[in-house]
Amino acid sequence: DAKTTQPPSMDCAEGRAANLPCNHSTISGNEYVYWYRQIHSQGPQYIIHGLKNNETNEMASLIITEDRKSSTLILPHATLRDTAVYYCIVRVAAGDDSWGKFQFGAGTQVVVTP
Amino acid sequence: DAGVIQSPRHEVTEMGQEVTLRCKPISGHNSLFWYRQTMMRGLELLIYFNNNVPIDDSGMPEDRFSAKMPNASFSTLKIQPSEPRDSAVYFCASSLGLSEYFGPGTRLLVL
Repeated sequence: DAKTTQPPSMDCAEGRAANLPCNHSTISGNEYVYWYRQIHSQGPQYIIHGLKNNETNEMASLIITEDRKSSTLILPHATLRDTAVYYCIVRVAAGDDSWGKFQFGAGTQVVVTP
Repeated sequence: DAGVIQSPRHEVTEMGQEVTLRCKPISGHNSLFWYRQTMMRGLELLIYFNNNVPIDDSGMPEDRFSAKMPNASFSTLKIQPSEPRDSAVYFCASSLGLSEYFGPGTRLLVL
């Protein structure tokens, strides 16, 4: 699976949008981009995933560049409860309902401040 | 749905003792994963099952670790004998393909 590069940390003001970048320049055509987050002392929580198109759900938006070499997770209105480590992961879809493993890196520590 | 259930939530044991961690996946999910998280190594996949069959155990650190999934609703991760370096948070996750859903973890301390 392709590797990802994320900034180690970033701060965001409460109520503002948080834009989390991720580089995955070696991504393959059958690899999806996933985002998870881990709030302190809890298990990782699924946020969103995408292949080519931008995606939006109740938690966040995922913007994937046309060449798929990078993506941005957008938390539209950050709250204090969004303080967490955010992981960007690429994962291969091997076909026939077979999927590659999730490989978690160091992620980005996001701190939302009042 | 109650989500992935893990027990115990905390375990303190002495070196050399056997430790058994338990996991109940989300009903209907056909894949189950065991992860270990430490400050030094981050989140590591130990083993995963598909339809109760172990598919990839390449992440299991050594023979002291073993995992079983006797049925679709239960799995165990056993460490025998335990060592201080096994101290970590152990997560179980389950999946129906697209995404994995994690349990709250078991915090293990081996003295």
